[in-house]
Amino acid sequence: QVQLVESGGGVVQPGGSLRLSCAASGFTFSSYGMHWVRQAPGKGLEWVTVISYDGNDQNYVDSVRGRFTISRDNSKNKLYLQMNSLKVEDTAVYYCVRGGRYQLESAVDYWGQGTLVTVSP
Amino acid sequence: DIQMTQSPSILSASVGDRVTLTCRASQSFSKWLAWYQQKPGKAPNLLIYMASTLQSGVPSRFSGSGSGTEFTLTISSLQPDDFATYYCQQYKSFPCSFGQGTKLEIK
Repeated sequence: QVQLVESGGGVVQPGGSLRLSCAASGFTFSSYGMHWVRQAPGKGLEWVTVISYDGNDQNYVDSVRGRFTISRDNSKNKLYLQMNSLKVEDTAVYYCVRGGRYQLESAVDYWGQGTLVTVSP
Repeated sequence: DIQMTQSPSILSASVGDRVTLTCRASQSFSKWLAWYQQKPGKAPNLLIYMASTLQSGVPSRFSGSGSGTEFTLTISSLQPDDFATYYCQQYKSFPCSFGQGTKLEIK
C-alpha cells in the first residue's frame, strides 16, 4: 500500500533553516508528481510546492518562493523540502502528498502523517 | 491566482440529512477541482476529483458537481462518520489553492 513518511520537523528560530524528508513506498515513485501542503495550527490547508515526476519542473506559492526548494531522489524514493530564512508564519504541519501520474497539475490522493515545523524566537 | 471561497464556514446538520457544500472560484475553469475530508488530528482524505469523479473506496453518498466558478459537494444522507471539515481545491493553475474549509457539525 502507498506510504508516505515525513521526517525532519522541529523547532527553529526565525531566519533558520530546516530540511524535511519524505520516504515513499508502495508505488512507482518516479512516475508521480509530488507536493508539499502545510497547515498552520487551527487553520486551513495551504498548498506550498510541487515537483514533476522527473524533477525537472517545480512550482511554489509566492510566500515561499526563493526561500524553499523542493527536490527529489528517485533512486532513493525520497522527496525533500529545503526551507531557508524561516519565518514565524511558516509554523505548520507539513504534509508530503502524492500528485498525478506524469502530471504536474492534479488532485492529490495520498498524504503522509505530517511533520510539525515550529518557528519561534 | 485563483481564489477559492467555501460556504458556509460552519454547517450544523443531523444524521440522515442531505447537505450541500459550496465552493466558488474567482476565475472560471472546467472541472479541475477536488474535495477533501479532514478529521481532527488526521491528514486529509481525497473524496472527489475532476469535480465529480468519486475516489476509489469513497461511499456513494458523496457526490460532486459543477463547473465554471461554482462547485458543490453533496452528502445524500449524513452518517456519524461524516462530521468533519471539508476543503475544495482547484488544480487548474498554480498555486493550487484550497478553500478555507467548511466544518460540518452535529446539530
